[in-house]
Amino acid sequence: DPKIIQKPKYLVAVTGSEKILICEQYLGHNAMYWYRQSAKKPLEFMFSYSYQKLMDNQTASSRFQPQSSKKNHLDLQITALKPDDSATYFCASSQLGENTLYFGAGTRLSVL
Amino acid sequence: GDSVTQTEGLVTLTEGLPVMLNCTYQTIYSNPFLFWYVQHLNESPRLLLKSFTDNKRTEHQGFHATLHKSSSSFHLQKSSAQLSDSALYYCALGAYKVIFGKGTHLHVLP
Repeated sequence: DPKIIQKPKYLVAVTGSEKILICEQYLGHNAMYWYRQSAKKPLEFMFSYSYQKLMDNQTASSRFQPQSSKKNHLDLQITALKPDDSATYFCASSQLGENTLYFGAGTRLSVL
Repeated sequence: GDSVTQTEGLVTLTEGLPVMLNCTYQTIYSNPFLFWYVQHLNESPRLLLKSFTDNKRTEHQGFHATLHKSSSSFHLQKSSAQLSDSALYYCALGAYKVIFGKGTHLHVLP
């Protein structure tokens, strides 16, 4: 069974719309992350959260907003979608201090 | 800021030949973790090996790497490539957060 669940697996959106990417982890980790992978920028760090608090944000645009309703959930809301947002978004988790990342299967987003 | 450099974008070699993928890094943190992650087609990245200790060889699944803090390097090696090794390999630096290099595509030919 996958220990990090990302939903949906595939997502098609129109320019200007808003989408939420879901991530839940069942590894008992205390830190969660979002990474983005595209042809232009492979595996780019976006956000890190621990105990539902933002630790680091490397995303320049406020259109990307992480949301954590529980300590093992970290969703990603993307507003005013642009074609350049097309990428695979990976959720990951780890134990703080140990730094080994475990990745979910990813959500492949296509913005038309 | 922290950075990871992988000089080869694509490495193509014949099955049975040795593999070496280069990785150097920059960080002000004195005790970083260094990682190699492997990503097969249509899969997510998964940890291949990691190291924290200077000059100690780390091995897993036939691959090995040694962290050399003096040269800020963590090159990935394997003595004999297999077809199933074809994948995207990322070197990563774990200091205050984990950042990845640009990745090296390894293509093993029969």
